[in-house]
Amino acid sequence: QQQVRQSPQSLTVWEGETAILNCSYENSAFDYFPWYQQFPGEGPALLISILSVSDKKEDGRFTIFFNKREKKLSLHIADSQPGDSATYFCAATGTGGYKVVFGSGTRLLVSP
Amino acid sequence: GGIITQTPKFLIGQEGQKLTLKCQQNFNHDTMYWYRQDSGKGLRLIYYSITENDLQKGDLSEGYDASREKKSSFSLTVTSAQKNEMAVFLCASSSPGQPSGNTLYFGEGSRLIVV
Repeated sequence: QQQVRQSPQSLTVWEGETAILNCSYENSAFDYFPWYQQFPGEGPALLISILSVSDKKEDGRFTIFFNKREKKLSLHIADSQPGDSATYFCAATGTGGYKVVFGSGTRLLVSP
Repeated sequence: GGIITQTPKFLIGQEGQKLTLKCQQNFNHDTMYWYRQDSGKGLRLIYYSITENDLQKGDLSEGYDASREKKSSFSLTVTSAQKNEMAVFLCASSSPGQPSGNTLYFGEGSRLIVV
């Protein structure tokens, strides 16, 4: 049973375009949604996160849009750069929760 | 800042062998995790430890043992290595009480190769 789903599995965009990565979840108890960025040979690192009380979170070129009713969220990467090429994981957990559930990831390639 | 150190970076063993991965953190975090990463399947939780001397099974604990020797270290043992277990094992730590949410800090991973 996959509680967090991501799409697409892989995505290629041109430099300067906006990349859109999608995520959905099943458990209504989830209320914290971090996105992690992973480069080859490294562990994932927190990129940006959102709490379910918000519907949008921005940090520079990265924006999360959150729809609680539909249990969906998306990560928008504006003005994509080749250095953004990485795998992005959507994750979810409940308040004070210890178990963090990850999606299967989206591999992003930004072509110059 | 802190760091998560995983050893070894590559672990090569034979089928049926018992193999151990080690993880150290200097964040002074209470909670530590072991995840398994297979290509195309994301990260799956094997074991986690809320605090020293605690052990909790994740979704993929069968075939693995874990040990939280002290607050800063967390070990994972593959009890009988199989070729379909070749994957990257990621250790992480966190301080879940943060009001901003439970952020995990990961090591660089240990790759298991079974011959």
